[in-house]
Amino acid sequence: ILNVEQSPQSLHVQEGDSTNFTCSFPSSNFYALHWYRWETAKSPEALFVMTLNGDEKKKGQISATLNTKEGYSYLYIKGSQPEDSATYLCAFNAGGTSYGKLTFGQGTILTVHP
Amino acid sequence: DSGVTQTPKHLITATGQRVTLRCSPRSGDLSVYWYQQSLDQGLQFLIHYYNGEERAKGNILERFSAQQFPDLHSELNLSSLELGDSALYFCASSADAYSNQPQHFGDGTRLSIL
Repeated sequence: ILNVEQSPQSLHVQEGDSTNFTCSFPSSNFYALHWYRWETAKSPEALFVMTLNGDEKKKGQISATLNTKEGYSYLYIKGSQPEDSATYLCAFNAGGTSYGKLTFGQGTILTVHP
Repeated sequence: DSGVTQTPKHLITATGQRVTLRCSPRSGDLSVYWYQQSLDQGLQFLIHYYNGEERAKGNILERFSAQQFPDLHSELNLSSLELGDSALYFCASSADAYSNQPQHFGDGTRLSIL
């Protein structure tokens, strides 16, 4: 059974704060790590797909890093805005016969207060 | 709009019944994935189809089955429904069979079993 852990479970920050959260995954049989953003009453939206150790990806004020040797990824949000409030999910794929199977973490719920 | 269409949006039925959930992937995507989100559970992978063939299976119950048709739309069939099957069912699609591509999620079908 693959274990994908996200921390913290929830986070409250003030508008303008920078924040980060963690996704931990098995360090063996790594193929890809996904980050999704899930706003209430909407569907999950892809942020990043990361496949290489040391990879860094950026989209606006959101960035992510990947360490496959130790099995973790960080998601950073610089200067949070209320519209960044959402659940942030990471998902792991072990490759091989798993093909596109993603194992999701429980998510980090981010609330940005004006 | 992700381009993935799921119908119906809501479904209310009784225990013991059978339902079919439908998904049309984004134009050009060959892979379709089904996920279940129950209360207090994260997104759970059910099954992955690529170009009409089953590629990976998760913890999908024997009462559940799926298929992908030649036009690439997919159906998830749930039979002998139980109260615990009440959940939000998502379909996602991606361009190919491997998880180095993002998955694009539909809006989900909310299934309520009375």
